Amino acid sequence: EAQVTQNPRYLITVTGKKLTVTCSQNMNHEYMSWYRQDPGLGLRQIYYSMNVEVTDKGDVPEGYKVSRKEKRNFPLILESPSPNQTSLYFCASSFHGVPSYNSPLHFGNGTRLTVT
Amino acid sequence: AQSVTQPDIHITVSEGASLELRCNYSYGATPYLFWYVQSPGQGLQLLLKYFSGDTLVQGIKGFEAEFKRSQSSFNLRKPSVHWSDAAEYFCAVGEDTGRRALTFGSGTRLQVQP
Repeated sequence: EAQVTQNPRYLITVTGKKLTVTCSQNMNHEYMSWYRQDPGLGLRQIYYSMNVEVTDKGDVPEGYKVSRKEKRNFPLILESPSPNQTSLYFCASSFHGVPSYNSPLHFGNGTRLTVT
Repeated sequence: AQSVTQPDIHITVSEGASLELRCNYSYGATPYLFWYVQSPGQGLQLLLKYFSGDTLVQGIKGFEAEFKRSQSSFNLRKPSVHWSDAAEYFCAVGEDTGRRALTFGSGTRLQVQP
């Protein structure tokens, strides 16, 4: 089944403790992206990657890192999490990247992160 | 910069009633427009999309949306709502730049009364 898989689904951590949220897609997509969802703000892009070893900042990159060493994986790294990074995170991928009409974004099921 | 406005944060309709969710966008060129639905605990699922051509587009689950350039709107409609339609709905505009991102509205939460 074609899908985007994120892990973990839920994560509670403390301020300053490094964490990684994994994202993997099995569709051979070139484009991958991370979004965070906050009430009243919709989804905002954190980072994106157009292909292996090609990453760039989105709208809200501060406090996050990403890497794209393999086409299928795009982990999100929080080196020193803070409470304002408590949010619902989504990984997404598409073959060519939005806004290709015939290559829509596929989303994972989300990771709910709580930083205390 | 492009933006998307969903003016209704929360809407409640009765099962079987018609539904219209509003979406207004701001974009300089021809927009790529999308509607996504997010059920509780789930990721976002694409309902429908528009780029060009016929301004009335059909999607999955009986939804449709109409693009009105003069009003910068892309409203989502359904003739008869089912209880399973209760979810959060997001309108988004595609960005035809190097970043290739979707800009999302803040979402509309739909509640369906029996």
